[in-house]
Amino acid sequence: QKEVEQNSGPLSVPEGAIASLNCTYSDRGSQSFFWYRQYSGKSPELIMSIYSNGDKEDGRFTAQLNKASQYVSLLIRDSQPSDSATYLCAVRDAGNNRKLIWGLGTSLAVNP
Amino acid sequence: DADVTQTPRNRITKTGKRIMLECSQTKGHDRMYWYRQDPGLGLRLIYYSFDVKDINKGEISDGYSVSRQAQAKFSLSLESAIPNQTALYFCATSETGQGAGGNTIYFGEGSWLTVV
Repeated sequence: QKEVEQNSGPLSVPEGAIASLNCTYSDRGSQSFFWYRQYSGKSPELIMSIYSNGDKEDGRFTAQLNKASQYVSLLIRDSQPSDSATYLCAVRDAGNNRKLIWGLGTSLAVNP
Repeated sequence: DADVTQTPRNRITKTGKRIMLECSQTKGHDRMYWYRQDPGLGLRLIYYSFDVKDINKGEISDGYSVSRQAQAKFSLSLESAIPNQTALYFCATSETGQGAGGNTIYFGEGSWLTVV
C-alpha cells in the first residue's frame, strides 16, 4: 500500500513565524510532489509543486524535496492568520502516473 | 463563475435512493475526476476519465457509477445511496500531459451529500 504521511496537527504558530509542514512518502519511484491548501469547507487549491531535489521558492512559500530520504516539506515564512488552513501533500503514483496519492493533511493555525 | 461547477452543492437523500452529482467545466481540460473526502480518511479517488471514451475506477468505486457525457461534463451516480456514502464530493480537472499543467488538479467547490 503506497502511503503519504503527514502529521495531522494542529500545528500552531504565532503570526510572523515560520511554519514548517512535513510529508513522507513510501513510493521510492515517485517523481512529482504537490502541496495543496484547503480552507475549512472549501476545495483544495495547489500552492506548490516540486520535481527535483532541493528547494523551490514562491513568495513566502518554500518547498523542499529530499528523494533519498523520501520526504517533502513546505515552509511558510512570515505566517499570516490567512494561512490558517489544512495543507495536503500529494505524490504522483510512480506505478500509475495517472493517479495522485494524498496525505490526510496537516492543520495549521496562525495566531495573531 | 467557477471554472469547475458542481450541482447540487448540498443534498440530503434517503437510503436506497438514486442520486446524481453533476460536474461541468469551462477549463477545456480532458481529464476529469471524482473524489470524496471524509474526516480522517482524506481525499479518495472514486473514478477518473482522461477523455470521453476513457473511464477508470479509482480506489473506492464500489457503489458508484459515472458518465462522461462530453469533454466538459462528468457525472457521478449513487445507484442506491447508503449512509456511509455521506461525504463531501469533489469533481476535479487537469490538463493532459506529464508537465506541470498535467499535474495541477483544479477542484470544484464540492457537493455535500448526506444519506439518512
